[in-house]
Amino acid sequence: RKEVEQDPGPFNVPEGATVAFNCTYSNSASQSFFWYRQDCRKEPKLLMSVYSSGNEDGRFTAQLNRASQYISLLIRDSKLSDSATYLCVVNIGDSGYALNFGKGTSLLVTP
Amino acid sequence: GAVVSQHPSRVICKSGTSVKIECRSLDFQATTMFWYRQFPKQSLMLMATSNEGSKATYEQGVEKDKFLINHASLTLSTLTVTSAHPEDSSFYICSAGGVAGLTQETQYFGPGTRLLVL
Repeated sequence: RKEVEQDPGPFNVPEGATVAFNCTYSNSASQSFFWYRQDCRKEPKLLMSVYSSGNEDGRFTAQLNRASQYISLLIRDSKLSDSATYLCVVNIGDSGYALNFGKGTSLLVTP
Repeated sequence: GAVVSQHPSRVICKSGTSVKIECRSLDFQATTMFWYRQFPKQSLMLMATSNEGSKATYEQGVEKDKFLINHASLTLSTLTVTSAHPEDSSFYICSAGGVAGLTQETQYFGPGTRLLVL
C-alpha cells in the first residue's frame, strides 16, 4: 500500500470553477502535511502547509482530518495559471524531515 | 531568499560512465539535504538524506555504492551516479532543509537534473 494516495485525475475544469482534491495517508504517525505544486518538467514548489484546524491562503483552502488520515485542497475561482500537478506530501518526522510524496493530481483549467 | 540551484540541469551520457550532480543552497546554509528521484508519471521518491559532515542515510533499495553522496559543506551536496545505466535515466531533484531561522520541516527544492543514459 502506498503511503500517500491521490486520485491522479486529470481534472479538467473551466476558469472560475471550484475544484477539490483529496489525499489519504497510511502512516498514523505522520506529523506534517503539505500541498506542493509541480509544473511540467519542473521541481515541486510549496503551495501551503496543512494544519489540523484547516487553513486558507487566498483562493486555496486546505483541510486535515487526522482521524480519517485524509487531506484536502480546495481551489476556488480557478485560473488558467492553476493548471499543474498538485502533490500531497506528508512527513512522519523521522529521517530528518524527509517528505513522502503522492503521485499528484493533474489539473487543467480551460478558458 | 532560500534559493537552491542544481547543476547540470540536464545531462546525456553513455552507459557505464559516471555523472556528478551538484546541489547548492545559494543564500542560506542548510544542515540537511535530500536527494529525490522522479520517474515519468511517478511520485518523487526519496533516495537519501545527507547531513553536512556525516555519511548519508540511504533509503531501502537505493545502492549507496552506486549513488555516492558527499555533503562537504553547509551549502553544497553532490550526488554521483556511478557506472550509469539506461534504467538510471530519471529526474533527480535535491532539496535543502533544516534552514536556520525557518521551520525545520520546510524544504526548498532545486530545479532538478534530467539524466538520460544512452
